[in-house]
Amino acid sequence: ETGVTQSPTHLIKTRGQQVTLRCSSQSGHNTVSWYQQALGQGPQFIFQYYREEENGRGNFPPRFSGLQFPNYSSELNVNALELDDSALYLCASSGRDRENTGELFFGEGSRLTVL
Amino acid sequence: GQNIDQPTEMTATEGAIVQINCTYQTSGFNGLFWYQQHAGEAPTFLSYNVLDGLEEKGRFSSFLSRSKGYSYLLLKELQMKDSASYLCAVRDRGDYKLSFGAGTTVTVRA
Repeated sequence: ETGVTQSPTHLIKTRGQQVTLRCSSQSGHNTVSWYQQALGQGPQFIFQYYREEENGRGNFPPRFSGLQFPNYSSELNVNALELDDSALYLCASSGRDRENTGELFFGEGSRLTVL
Repeated sequence: GQNIDQPTEMTATEGAIVQINCTYQTSGFNGLFWYQQHAGEAPTFLSYNVLDGLEEKGRFSSFLSRSKGYSYLLLKELQMKDSASYLCAVRDRGDYKLSFGAGTTVTVRA
């Protein structure tokens, strides 16, 4: 069973730039969620994708956008980067069948630093 | 939305027991999760409670009281590798996203 993989693992950008983060979901999982985790904080929900459509969004501005592809992989795009966007970005996949609890399986994350 | 509270830090001795409390407020409860996160790593699933009571899984147990909006994670026979952040998370009814607390950093000392 292949776990959740994310790329890149680390990256540095400057204010105003744009970034794309990528995620491959765990085998058999059709739902992908993105979370932002600032240092010393718990993960904060950005949005979730199910069957290639956004299916819920947290309190993040429109410059945070995403995509899900037919193979259930996903991208997170952030435009006009700000210093406060520096964080660990976590991708999590889950299944939606009745046999599971809906627990999230997290990738190792992409650590973004904005200078 | 949810308001999830858990202590910031706890310290315990190797071989001891530690209990991490979590209180929450939610409009429609549909499950409580505990995750373990080592520094610089991804959160990993520990336990899930949706009904009142105690769920035991080896050295780790988790308890839920829905009427009190309260859960705890019990770590027994502490080992050095248990030093990590422990995240309490709640899921709303009809929703698949999790709302996380800020995490409790547990330090295990020899």
